[in-house]
Amino acid sequence: EDKVVQSPLSLVVHEGDTVTLNCSYEVTNFRSLLWYKQEKKAPTFLFMLTSSGIEKKSGRLSSILDKKELFSILNITATQTGDSAIYLCAVETNAGKSTFGDGTTLTVKP
Amino acid sequence: ETGVTQTPRHLVMGMTNKKSLKCEQHLGHNAMYWYKQSAKKPLELMFVYSLEERVENNSVPSRFSPECPNSSHLFLHLHTLQPEDSALYLCASSPGLARGNEQFFGPGTRLTVL
Repeated sequence: EDKVVQSPLSLVVHEGDTVTLNCSYEVTNFRSLLWYKQEKKAPTFLFMLTSSGIEKKSGRLSSILDKKELFSILNITATQTGDSAIYLCAVETNAGKSTFGDGTTLTVKP
Repeated sequence: ETGVTQTPRHLVMGMTNKKSLKCEQHLGHNAMYWYKQSAKKPLELMFVYSLEERVENNSVPSRFSPECPNSSHLFLHLHTLQPEDSALYLCASSPGLARGNEQFFGPGTRLTVL
């Protein structure tokens, strides 16, 4: 059975802090790993990772994948209150099936 | 706006009702998905369609019946639901199963079953 585990489940930081969110997985026929940000309703896409060791970056967010150790991290630097959200990690297989983790709830305090 | 719309945004129904959720994507994608998000649970993939053909059905009860008449539209027909089916139902689309899966989500339908 495919499995995606995110840690920590929740995190409270202050503005300006840097956070690292973790996602580990065990799936058959891995194709890609995706990160989403979910604030109130539907998730919004952040990154798609398919190759090990290549960092993807968007502003203060960055992510990297390790296909040997089967995990990914999402970094957020200089956090802002607007970064408060649930961050979801999903792993997709070659058959197009996606398995989501439980998410990390990030709260950024002013 | 992600290019994926869902209607209705909110739905309250009794256990004996029949209703349908609608999803439409304006992105020219070939794959569409239904997800269920319950409180305190991870997103659950329900159905996957690629080029209007169902490719995945994750053991969803038969009271949920999907329909994909074309690559832009996806329906979820509901009948004789249970209160535990109350959840946020999300539709997503992606370019295709073979070309990577950057999924774009709709805003969801908040379903309450009384």
